[in-house]
Amino acid sequence: DAKTTQPNSMESNEEEPVHLPCNHSTISGTDYIHWYRQLPSQGPEYVIHGLTSNVNNRMASLAIAEDRKSSTLILHRATLRDAAVYYCILLYAGGTSYGKLTFGQGTILTVHP
Amino acid sequence: NAGVMQNPRHLVRRRGQEARLRCSPMKGHSHVYWYRQLPEEGLKFMVYLQKENIIDESGMPKERFSAEFPKEGPSILRIQQVVRGDSAAYFCASSPPPGQGDETQYFGPGTRLLVL
Repeated sequence: DAKTTQPNSMESNEEEPVHLPCNHSTISGTDYIHWYRQLPSQGPEYVIHGLTSNVNNRMASLAIAEDRKSSTLILHRATLRDAAVYYCILLYAGGTSYGKLTFGQGTILTVHP
Repeated sequence: NAGVMQNPRHLVRRRGQEARLRCSPMKGHSHVYWYRQLPEEGLKFMVYLQKENIIDESGMPKERFSAEFPKEGPSILRIQQVVRGDSAAYFCASSPPPGQGDETQYFGPGTRLLVL
């Protein structure tokens, strides 16, 4: 499985944007880039995913490098509720094949009031 | 549309007892995944099931653990003769059938198993 590398932790102030980086230099052409987050004492929560183009949804934006070897999850205005562990995961989605999510250590995001 | 449901939310067992964890996927989802999160560790994949079929059990311990997803009813993760090292949070996720353009896995709140 292709691996991802994320910083162990990041900090932000409330109401400010947050850019969470992820490196995935061995990504293959059929790997989607997924982001999940896990709030304290809860199950993981889907945030966003993309393949090649940048993506936006109500929670966040995903910026994907042109060579796809890295990506950045962008929270436009961090709130205290965004404090969580953020996981960048590559998921093979060729044809009708679904796969397991391989969680790394993720990035612990701390948001200061 | 109710989300993924897991019960019980908390389960206490003594060493040697059996633990049964249940997962009801979201309506219309035919794929179920089980993950385990040991204390202070990351989430690890255990097993992936479709209705009446185990697709990938590469993350399941070889002994004492089994999983099923029957035609009717919830998916069950069964741990026989529990040991203290089984204490963890067990999360279930479900996803839609292939071909619907949605590869997202939706997670339940987890079952926290404590083995005394």
